[in-house]
Amino acid sequence: DGGITQSPKYLFRKEGQNVTLSCEQNLNHDAMYWYRQDPGQGLRLIYYSQIVNDFQKGDIAEGYSVSREKKESFPLTVTSAQKNPTAFYLCASSTENRKTEAFFGQGTRLTVV
Amino acid sequence: AQKITQTQPGMFVQEKEAVTLDCTYDTSDPSYGLFWYKQPSSGEMIFLIYQGSYDQQNATEGRYSLNFQKARKSANLVISASQLGDSAMYFCAMRISGTYKYIFGTGTRLKVLA
Repeated sequence: DGGITQSPKYLFRKEGQNVTLSCEQNLNHDAMYWYRQDPGQGLRLIYYSQIVNDFQKGDIAEGYSVSREKKESFPLTVTSAQKNPTAFYLCASSTENRKTEAFFGQGTRLTVV
Repeated sequence: AQKITQTQPGMFVQEKEAVTLDCTYDTSDPSYGLFWYKQPSSGEMIFLIYQGSYDQQNATEGRYSLNFQKARKSANLVISASQLGDSAMYFCAMRISGTYKYIFGTGTRLKVLA
């Protein structure tokens, strides 16, 4: 079955450590996205990538980094520079057609202690 | 600036009744798509319905319909015959033609009462 796989589902890290969230898709979609979700704030775009080896900052990119070396993969690194990293992170992918919806992974809940 | 506004943080509806979740959007682009997603407590995002800016008719998908009023820039979701399983967060989103970004609202938490 085609879809998006995020791992792990839950992640705990100590403050000051970098952590990488995995996102893989087998939908053959060109575009991939990372969103952050906090209670009462909806989904905020961190980074997105339209094509391999290219990505753009979203609205809240500070403290995060990404790479897009393969079409299927778009990992997100939460660095120690991110002031408040505890949140629910959602990865998504889409085609280039604006009429098609974004497909989402199951999400990763990151807790920094 | 492109923006989605959902003004209802929370809503209650009685089982089997209809409910309308509000969504207004702001864009100067004439070509765009509007989407509604459901997010149960498990966290997954479930796509519900799509409306294109040039679509003449309101979109419908089973018990979901979209009340699209272009002049008012509103795209309200109507859920008919509510079920207990409809209790979830609901997000409205927009994608402008020629861009890849999906812009989301802050969501509405719907609780269906037995």
